Amino acid sequence: EADIYQTPRYLVIGTGKKITLECSQTMGHDKMYWYQQDPGMELHLIHYSYGVNSTEKGDLSSESTVSRIRTEHFPLTLESARPSHTSQYLCASSEGPIRGQDTEAFFGQGTRLTVV
Amino acid sequence: DAKTTQPPSMDCAEGRAANLPCNHSTISGNEYVYWYRQIHSQGPQYIIHGLKNNETNEMASLIITEDRKSSTLILPHATLRDTAVYYCIVRVPFYGQNFVFGPGTRLSVLP
Repeated sequence: EADIYQTPRYLVIGTGKKITLECSQTMGHDKMYWYQQDPGMELHLIHYSYGVNSTEKGDLSSESTVSRIRTEHFPLTLESARPSHTSQYLCASSEGPIRGQDTEAFFGQGTRLTVV
Repeated sequence: DAKTTQPPSMDCAEGRAANLPCNHSTISGNEYVYWYRQIHSQGPQYIIHGLKNNETNEMASLIITEDRKSSTLILPHATLRDTAVYYCIVRVPFYGQNFVFGPGTRLSVLP
């Protein structure tokens, strides 16, 4: 079983609100990822991190921001939510190339965000 | 440019083998083939990966052609719970490359 957790699982919020989606893993993994997925569509990488104080933008441009102050924690923040941000957000982690062979990514259950 | 090509959908009868193809004609020598699946809208689940030899685990078998330009994921006895979107990915594990997902194949296991 993967030890990666996302909260909340579901969130309905009004336009203009600031929100933070939480992601935590207990596997000591260096690399973490955020993906965005609309219903029935592909997963798109929006952010990733190689370790503490490392954050990179992914293939899909996103208005969200991330931080990596602790190894186990990789929160995603939207400063001002809009209906176009309605989507599912999936967090993942992997060993990373420094400490391991980085062979497998483990995914959380996702946060389904609806902005009204 | 997409590194892999998969059929958008497939059907399989329950209890039969499901053979999911993937084309990766531009794969480089140090890239591995990975398979993940996503059931409904849950987080993707790792299935198997390999470099050039055929691989088998408790979930599936991976057959990679000798030229490595294509592969097949085999679910030997498909069940209704195997209905999911299956993703084929190529990446180099040791360099910390990202996991980049394409549209995948939507497998429907029919009773």
